[in-house]
Amino acid sequence: GAVVSQHPSRVICKSGTSVKIECRSLDFQATTMFWYRQFPKKSLMLMATSNEGSKATYEQGVEKDKFLINHASLTLSTLTVTSAHPEDSSFYICSARAAGGAGSYEQYFGPGTRLTVT
Amino acid sequence: GIQVEQSPPDLILQEGANSTLRCNFSDSVNNLQWFHQNPWGQLINLFYIPSGTKQNGRLSATTVATERYSLLYISSSQTTDSGVYFCAVEQDSGYSTLTFGKGTMLLVSP
Repeated sequence: GAVVSQHPSRVICKSGTSVKIECRSLDFQATTMFWYRQFPKKSLMLMATSNEGSKATYEQGVEKDKFLINHASLTLSTLTVTSAHPEDSSFYICSARAAGGAGSYEQYFGPGTRLTVT
Repeated sequence: GIQVEQSPPDLILQEGANSTLRCNFSDSVNNLQWFHQNPWGQLINLFYIPSGTKQNGRLSATTVATERYSLLYISSSQTTDSGVYFCAVEQDSGYSTLTFGKGTMLLVSP
């Protein structure tokens, strides 16, 4: 149980284009999903918290107009990188927390999406 | 915000050896998770352990919440244990997000 998928796993796009990454909880409902970014040999940095049916909460320094997050259902959140530039190249990872988790705060992580902007 | 420190930053072991990884945190937490990030980047949940002790095969973990640290034990290490081990905590303050440590890079050689 507690499987989170991401699609695509790898994407290459040209500078100036937009890319959408999907995050799905496959076998549980997630009221809250999180988006992280990881640079090579670095730790994960939280970008934003996504709550189903409401606006995402962005961490300080993350441009909300550049990284659009939508959490349309209890099993799907999307991250759209708009007008991508080479500095947006990174490994993006989502996670999900089960709804009504009886005091459990455990998060489950997707396999990540490697974005390369040329 | 809460600070998370992991040690050691790097560790090299011979196959079969045991090791202990440490995670110190600066405030009370309601969530502490240990992860193994494999070479493809996937974060594997090892333990959800805000307090107490758990064991899963060759791995075990202990969190002493009152002293603000957690330990991950790896026994009889195997080459497949290589990778980065992260500790992540969630502060017990209503701001429900995970803060990650910088990780321990483990290399197990045959």
